Amino acid sequence: KQEVTQIPAALSVPEGENLVLNCSFTDSAIYNLQWFRQDPGKGLTSLLLIQSSQREQTSGRLNASLDKSSGRSTLYIAASQPGDSATYLCAVAHQGAQKLVFGQGTRLTINP
Amino acid sequence: DTAVSQTPKYLVTQMGNDKSIKCEQNLGHDTMYWYKQDSKKFLKIMFSYNNKELIINETVPNRFSPKSPDKAHLNLHINSLELGDSAVYFCASSQDQGRPTGPIGTQYFGPGTRLTVL
Repeated sequence: KQEVTQIPAALSVPEGENLVLNCSFTDSAIYNLQWFRQDPGKGLTSLLLIQSSQREQTSGRLNASLDKSSGRSTLYIAASQPGDSATYLCAVAHQGAQKLVFGQGTRLTINP
Repeated sequence: DTAVSQTPKYLVTQMGNDKSIKCEQNLGHDTMYWYKQDSKKFLKIMFSYNNKELIINETVPNRFSPKSPDKAHLNLHINSLELGDSAVYFCASSQDQGRPTGPIGTQYFGPGTRLTVL
């Protein structure tokens, strides 16, 4: 059974810092890994999708890496801004299960 | 333009009632999903439909019945509501490759329906 864990559960950093969010999964048989952000009271917004054959994906100040063999992904946020404050969730598309399995998220607060 | 929309946004009702939540996507995707997010913010899949065909039913009580009249719509009907049904319900859609065994594409989520059962 695929399990996804995100550490830390909450993170608070000053504006301007670079930071890394972690995601680990137990079964490496995945199609892809997806990162989302969720603002309070809102739905999820897709940030990045990394295919199982890829090592990383970049979008603006965001960079996501994937190490499938060790069951880990990181989301790197450069030059953080208060607008980056949100909950960040990772999810793996597990092969054969045809569904996304989500971690419980990291609640990020960027302090001005 | 709203990609995935849900109605209503808030739903407050008494135990034992029957209610429905509607979802529509205008992205042309062939797969739609229902997720439940509990009070601890844990997001878990309930159902998925591909081209109006049920693909996933995650051992959800049969009081929950999804219905997909066409590819663009997936509604959720809940009978005999219980206190434990209180949660936020999200609809999502994606364009997948080669169902039923192909990979899942990027998922697009609706804004959620906050259900409160009193």
